Amino acid sequence: QSALTQPASVSGSPGQSITISCTGTSSDVGGYNYVSWYQQHPGKAPKLMIYDVSNRPSGVSNRFSGSKSGNTASLTISGLQAEDEADYYCSSYTSSSTLEVFGGGTKLTVL
Amino acid sequence: EVQLVESGGGLVQPGGSLRLSCAASGFTFSSYEMNWVRQAPGKGLEWVSYISSSGSTIYYADSVKGRFTISRDNAKNSLYLQMNSLRAEDTAVYYCARSFEYSSSSLDYWGQGTLVTVSS
Repeated sequence: QSALTQPASVSGSPGQSITISCTGTSSDVGGYNYVSWYQQHPGKAPKLMIYDVSNRPSGVSNRFSGSKSGNTASLTISGLQAEDEADYYCSSYTSSSTLEVFGGGTKLTVL
Repeated sequence: EVQLVESGGGLVQPGGSLRLSCAASGFTFSSYEMNWVRQAPGKGLEWVSYISSSGSTIYYADSVKGRFTISRDNAKNSLYLQMNSLRAEDTAVYYCARSFEYSSSSLDYWGQGTLVTVSS
């Protein structure tokens, strides 16, 4: 199962908004509303930021939002802050035998 | 407080075996599905394996199928990953992660990981 496709890097200035895309197929992203997004700071474990395409777990800032159109899911971070600088990964349920697939990750730089 | 603590990582030769453990606390372990996810040095996340709360349903990534075995002991609040026929490409930090109760496709708590290095 190939990884979902994410841009390698994105950047933005404090206060701006950025969007990270995650492209899959109809067997994963496009076929199910089971897309998740994770934030990972260097040397730390990933943190769940979005589940089921657009839902935020308790405690996650409402500056983080998710959406999906066709085979592409997106994570939008508004009002960028320095602490948002991290790697972001999408994942999706897949109807293949492997159950879950991750994206390759996107490094967010806050300028 | 939910805690997941992995152990058992280390240096192993190609073709060798290793058993990882994950000790869970702060929640009713027997009620939650669990997963292993790995991350090669400087690379992205790769989902490895899933086990249902009772242990009756198991999935593996194609890259480890036939070589790795996931299991759990609900009486001991522990998750395991038996890794056989290890290859250089299995070198990674291995994370134990809990499936989110509202969406089992998401992972809401992660351990700090244990490093497995496969090298001669």
